[in-house]
Amino acid sequence: QSALTQPASVSGSPGQSITISCTGTSSDVGSYNLVSWYQQHPGKAPKLMIYEVSKRPSGVSNRFSGSKSGNTASLTISGLQAEDEADYYCCSYAGSSTVFGGGTKLTVL
Amino acid sequence: QVQLVQSGAEVKKPGASVKVSCKASGYTFTGYYMHWVRQAPGQGLEWMGWINPNSGGTNYAQKFQGRVTMTRDTSISTAYMELSRLRSDDTAVYYCAREEVADPEMATIYWGQGTLVTVSS
Repeated sequence: QSALTQPASVSGSPGQSITISCTGTSSDVGSYNLVSWYQQHPGKAPKLMIYEVSKRPSGVSNRFSGSKSGNTASLTISGLQAEDEADYYCCSYAGSSTVFGGGTKLTVL
Repeated sequence: QVQLVQSGAEVKKPGASVKVSCKASGYTFTGYYMHWVRQAPGQGLEWMGWINPNSGGTNYAQKFQGRVTMTRDTSISTAYMELSRLRSDDTAVYYCAREEVADPEMATIYWGQGTLVTVSS
């Protein structure tokens, strides 16, 4: 099972919106609405931001939203804040397996 | 409150095995799947597999088939991940993470603090 494809880095200024893409195949992202997104700050455990493509866990800011089209899922962060600077990983169910993306480093300029 | 507390850091020689524990508290241990995820230094997240603490059923990533064993002891609410025939590229932080929904889809809110396993001769 190959890793999902994410851009290595994205950046944005405070207040702006950014979108991180996550491209898989018809065997994972394209077949299941079971994509999750994690935020990870250095030295910390990952934090769930989105699950089942677009659902937000309790306590996660509504500035974070998720979507999917075909084999590509996306995470959008609106109203960028300094504390959003972190690594972001997508993850998809893939039948009998689960696969992560390679991660995207978000820099808030 | 839900807590997952993992065992401490380990240093192992190539070819050895390591067993990491994940003690759960604050909820019914048998009610939620448990995933294991690892992260090599400076690298991304890698899913290793899950265990159903109720039935003991497991599902491992193909990459680790034959080398990983996930077990649990319901009497002490603890899950275990054992990795054998260790290589230097198994050096990583290993996490346990509790599934939040009914099926094991990696919707995980609660994570252990991570256990650093270093494989070095």
